[in-house]
Amino acid sequence: NAGVTQTPKFRILKIGQSMTLQCTQDMNHNYMYWYRQDPGMGLKLIYYSVGAGITDKGEVPNGYNVSRSTTEDFPLRLELAAPSQTSVYFCATYHTSLKTQYFGPGTRLLVL
Amino acid sequence: ELKVEQNPLFLSMQEGKNYTIYCNYSTTSDRLYWYRQDPGKSLESLFVLLSNGAVKQEGRLMASLDTKARLSTLHITAAVHDLSATYFCAVDKSGGSNYKLTFGKGTLLTVNP
Repeated sequence: NAGVTQTPKFRILKIGQSMTLQCTQDMNHNYMYWYRQDPGMGLKLIYYSVGAGITDKGEVPNGYNVSRSTTEDFPLRLELAAPSQTSVYFCATYHTSLKTQYFGPGTRLLVL
Repeated sequence: ELKVEQNPLFLSMQEGKNYTIYCNYSTTSDRLYWYRQDPGKSLESLFVLLSNGAVKQEGRLMASLDTKARLSTLHITAAVHDLSATYFCAVDKSGGSNYKLTFGKGTLLTVNP
């Protein structure tokens, strides 16, 4: 099992551009999450999903959109990128047996 | 709004010493998690604490949960350099419905020879 994979690993965007951060899991987990991590801060929840077709906002959803058409994929869309969106983005799934969230390797995004 | 506070935020300690990291949270919850993050890496799950009085130990780390005091501790025994990392606590107040986590800011631990 690959677990949780994220692409790209690193990206530079210009202000106003858009992009999609990809997250894929092969563990058949229903619950998936997107977090952002700013320097010296903990993680903040952007959006989450409890299953295919169901998504909901987290703590900091402004400027982002998500979709969940399949169990495996949970892409995060940035429209009109802003410098404030410079961050490291982590995707995670919830492992029901081990009762904890498992995180992908992260995507580092720089908006200039 | 759930607030999760860790202290200290920075901890420099010598090898062989003991220390405790504290995690306080503001609303009722009986699900608390500890994660470790190495520089430039993802988060690694350390402990899952799911009830009042829960205690978990792995190597030189021991975590406990007091839900009445809304406090969890991560105790480090006889620290070694390999424990240098950032440690996060996270609280789930969803009651087991959607498992959303609220994180503390993290404790940057540096263990010096």
